[in-house]
Amino acid sequence: DAGITQSPRHKVTETGTPVTLRCHQTENHRYMYWYRQDPGHGLRLIHYSYGVKDTDKGEVSDGYSVSRSKTEDFLLTLESATSSQTSVYFCAISEAGRHNEQFFGPGTRLTVL
Amino acid sequence: AQSVTQLGSHVSVSEGALVLLRCNYSSSVPPYLFWYVQYPNQGLQLLLKYTTGATLVKGINGFEAEFKKSETSFHLTKPSAHMSDAAEYFCAVGRFGNEKLTFGTGTRLTIIP
Repeated sequence: DAGITQSPRHKVTETGTPVTLRCHQTENHRYMYWYRQDPGHGLRLIHYSYGVKDTDKGEVSDGYSVSRSKTEDFLLTLESATSSQTSVYFCAISEAGRHNEQFFGPGTRLTVL
Repeated sequence: AQSVTQLGSHVSVSEGALVLLRCNYSSSVPPYLFWYVQYPNQGLQLLLKYTTGATLVKGINGFEAEFKKSETSFHLTKPSAHMSDAAEYFCAVGRFGNEKLTFGTGTRLTIIP
């Protein structure tokens, strides 16, 4: 299994509070991704990174920010959580030259009350 | 732009019966195509992928898929369903030069004893 961990695995928070989710990899892969998974929507890309300090928006980036200060860590921040951000969040990694094959972490279940 | 359509959000088959999960894609360039499986409370795991070459691709757990360019399809099949195949299955499309994947909305497979 690819070495990808996510923390926390479960979190319950209140509307308006900031939340940071962490993705950590031990594979030294260049690309990292944050997705959210919601019933009926499959996986939707929030943000991705193509290197240290290099990030870009995905299709559902509003309300989220990311940072990547080291190859192994990719942080997703909800500056002010809303109930619509209740979801399961997955981190994924990939390496150039691997035909877009992505490896996924175990996920973080976030509930915003 | 790329897109993926998975026909049938829920599919039920009897144990020992043929499994057929449908995936159609849209891509303006030759695609990379993937099937991922997600077991309850887990991340996504790669089942199989098509990049170039042979259009019939074999994956893990007895699954296979055939790339049909004329039909823009990449349907997933397994000759004989097993109880352990119960999971959610996602089709995804990517392309050369763009490290992102676009996912379908998923198909939940139920196996009837």
